[in-house]
Amino acid sequence: GAVVSQHPSWVICKSGTSVKIECRSLDFQATTMFWYRQFPKQSLMLMATSNEGSKATYEQGVEKDKFLINHASLTLSTLTVTSAHPEDSSFYICSAKIRDGYTFGSGTRLTVV
Amino acid sequence: TQLLEQSPQFLSIQEGENLTVYCNSSSVFSSLQWYRQEPGEGPVLLVTVVTGGEVKKLKRLTFQFGDARKDSSLHITAAQPGDTGLYLCAGDSGTYKYIFGTGTRLKVLA
Repeated sequence: GAVVSQHPSWVICKSGTSVKIECRSLDFQATTMFWYRQFPKQSLMLMATSNEGSKATYEQGVEKDKFLINHASLTLSTLTVTSAHPEDSSFYICSAKIRDGYTFGSGTRLTVV
Repeated sequence: TQLLEQSPQFLSIQEGENLTVYCNSSSVFSSLQWYRQEPGEGPVLLVTVVTGGEVKKLKRLTFQFGDARKDSSLHITAAQPGDTGLYLCAGDSGTYKYIFGTGTRLKVLA
């Protein structure tokens, strides 16, 4: 089936540094990728929708200059958390629309210290 | 704005009990999905409901889509500790955004 590979699965970084999260569609082309953030014991909150070859659409309250999304190819979308702060610590998940629904990456646990 | 509201938010029950989780919206969805998520992992699809009034069964789980396609429910019969997890409904309301419900955290005690 359609698989989205998300890396890294976990990362610890220092405050002020940037972290890049990658999501690759392994056996299909992902025109649209969704990025979510999930805080402990909460649901997945949509951050942005990335479309191949165009600018991402960000949800209200999500800083586009802080969460840089690049969807340069049909198989790769990246989320870069710039100048990370402890409050950015969260679980980040990507998702791609497929013919029969949606497929999800395995998530990235980001801890900013 | 969260378009999909789930209730209850938390549920702790004894093994063998039945429970129902609700997913409500003021918007019409072409389809709704139900997922279960374990800590540190991505959500796992349980079912997709498409037709208003549709009922789907998955072993001890029964899913229903409201006639107006604005709400859905998940009923678990004779809950087991293995059912413990975060249950999420999700859907595309037609705005090309795939959103999740507020979530229901279920704990089944042995």
